Amino acid sequence: QQPVQSPQAVILREGEDAVINCSSSKALYSVHWYRQKHGEAPVFLMILLKGGEQKGHDKISASFNEKKQQSSLYLTASQLSYSGTYFCGTVTSYGKLTFGQGTILTVHP
Amino acid sequence: GAGVSQSPRYKVAKRGQDVALRCDPISGHVSLFWYQQALGQGPEFLTYFQNEAQLDKSGLPSDRFFAERPEGSVSTLKIQRTQQEDSAVYLCASSGYSGANVLTFGAGSRLTVL
Repeated sequence: QQPVQSPQAVILREGEDAVINCSSSKALYSVHWYRQKHGEAPVFLMILLKGGEQKGHDKISASFNEKKQQSSLYLTASQLSYSGTYFCGTVTSYGKLTFGQGTILTVHP
Repeated sequence: GAGVSQSPRYKVAKRGQDVALRCDPISGHVSLFWYQQALGQGPEFLTYFQNEAQLDKSGLPSDRFFAERPEGSVSTLKIQRTQQEDSAVYLCASSGYSGANVLTFGAGSRLTVL
């Protein structure tokens, strides 16, 4: 079952903040976040393994609400380099990472 | 090697032809995944190997798709009798851990079926 991401697209000016949400209809073992720039391979951002866990990476952080089967990615003080498509991936059974449909983030100067 | 290497990067096939896509994972990585990514979509899971064992092939769309990793390193995704709907980027990813953990993706093989 594919996780659902929202919003589908976000347009920001440099320095603005954004939140991308990911929800699943199934219980989750873990949540992964990747960013893909046009024509390139997806690149790992972070993985959240426990309910309530929050992780940070520079000005990008994420939370995982295991009970609600949801995760959110927080982008603070966005930079031009943050532009790309963000995918959440959920693991509901051993070994199978299923990605959402993606959220396109565009950061303008 | 330093990263995940995929070949060919681009493949054009006529409908009905067979194609083989190769993936060289990071040396020593036990887990290997294949994904299919259509234009504007997220990667869709195809299959997962742990060493040479194919533990999950539930995402393979039909029996025309076959994947192998005979010695636990290089993997090949084979598509027989290609159809237009097979046109996509095929991504390979590897991980140094068992199961779905931090994945390093290759640049992908873009397949166009005419």
